[in-house]
Amino acid sequence: GENVEQHPSTLSVQEGDSAVIKCTYSDSASNYFPWYKQELGKRPQLIIDIRSNVGEKKDQRIAVTLNKTAKHFSLHITETQPEDSAVYFCAARMLPNQAGTALIFGKGTTLSVSS
Amino acid sequence: GAVVSQHPSRVICKSGTSVKIECRSLDFQATTMFWYRQFPKQSLMLMATSNEGSKATYEQGVEKDKFLINHASLTLSTLTVTSAHPEDSSFYICSARDGRGTKNIQYFGAGTRLSVL
Repeated sequence: GENVEQHPSTLSVQEGDSAVIKCTYSDSASNYFPWYKQELGKRPQLIIDIRSNVGEKKDQRIAVTLNKTAKHFSLHITETQPEDSAVYFCAARMLPNQAGTALIFGKGTTLSVSS
Repeated sequence: GAVVSQHPSRVICKSGTSVKIECRSLDFQATTMFWYRQFPKQSLMLMATSNEGSKATYEQGVEKDKFLINHASLTLSTLTVTSAHPEDSSFYICSARDGRGTKNIQYFGAGTRLSVL
């Protein structure tokens, strides 16, 4: 089955700096890679996702890159703000035909942005 | 956007009792829902895949007789923790996939914090 590794486990940055979180996956059949943000005591919220036919996707201050050959993908947050502080999870899954295939998550990265 | 509702949000129970958690997709049909367990400051660990009208698929190490899953309709899946013990105390969270159109986005419920005394 799929195995997702995520690094670093904790990341502290100053407001305005960039933050990068990296993930690797094991199953070459995986083709969908979402990133979730989870604030303390709340549900994970999808912030951005990327599919295997795309190498990069950007949404305002957030971008994700994918290298299928190396089986790794990264989350980039620019101009970080204190409200970006949360736990970020990467995940991987096969889709769309595998309807019953769940997301497999990395262990999470606790991002702290200090002002 | 799509919403997944999960109840209750918090349960405190005595050891030996059973607890039922409901997960509903509010504005889309979900033939498949997923149940995860999350320990403090840890990741979401997949417990089982709930399939409408058929048996759930459990991950290795998850006791199916301990964690009963029922997916009786296209919008409701339930997880019952039977004969709960303190080691079952955890944060349980469900999710459902909105497969309409090209979305394929997985939405999460708000989670249920179970505390077994």
